[in-house]
Amino acid sequence: AQTVTQSQPEMSVQEAETVTLSCTYDTSENNYYLFWYKQPPSRQMILVIRQEAYKQQNATENRFSVNFQKAAKSFSLKISDSQLGDTAMYFCAFKAAGNKLTFGGGTRVLVKP
Amino acid sequence: SAVISQKPSRDICQRGTSLTIQCQVDSQVTMMFWYRQQPGQSLTLIATANQGSEATYESGFVIDKFPISRPNLTFSTLTVSNMSPEDSSIYLCSARTTPGTIYFGEGSWLTVV
Repeated sequence: AQTVTQSQPEMSVQEAETVTLSCTYDTSENNYYLFWYKQPPSRQMILVIRQEAYKQQNATENRFSVNFQKAAKSFSLKISDSQLGDTAMYFCAFKAAGNKLTFGGGTRVLVKP
Repeated sequence: SAVISQKPSRDICQRGTSLTIQCQVDSQVTMMFWYRQQPGQSLTLIATANQGSEATYESGFVIDKFPISRPNLTFSTLTVSNMSPEDSSIYLCSARTTPGTIYFGEGSWLTVV
């Protein structure tokens, strides 16, 4: 079974600064997808970024980028130029050949003005 | 991307009653899923809603408690039956639009009193 671990329960960052969230996972699969979802107080799960395991290039979406280290089974998220609207819970998730998403425990990010 | 709408967004329910949550996707999708997020926790998959056949439930979830319908490729319902306070959670509908992308609805926040 796959497991996803987010070791940082909470992170705070000053507005305009950069914060990096860590995520590690355990799997015996070779082909899979990794995701970061954002859950603001509104509760909706918003897809931030995704990475396909067979792609070596790290995914980037505007101010969000990942550092995908397949051998180390690590998938960190970097939020650059943090904005107040980035305050939310962030969940790392894993999906192999099936359709089930396995989520980490989440990291609460607080952006301070 | 896909726009996924859920109703109700929030409800307070009496112990012993049942509530049906509706999920509508703005395009046809092959796979729809229902997740539960208990207070302060991460997301757990309840079941995969299969169009034209019975839902596939994850370990710990049963059809009698969480009956699911999937009458077509854009719509699904989840019923939480005979509710108890332990069922107080956010219930989220999700849909797979491409092999590697899963989007979520806004969530339905149920409180059982």
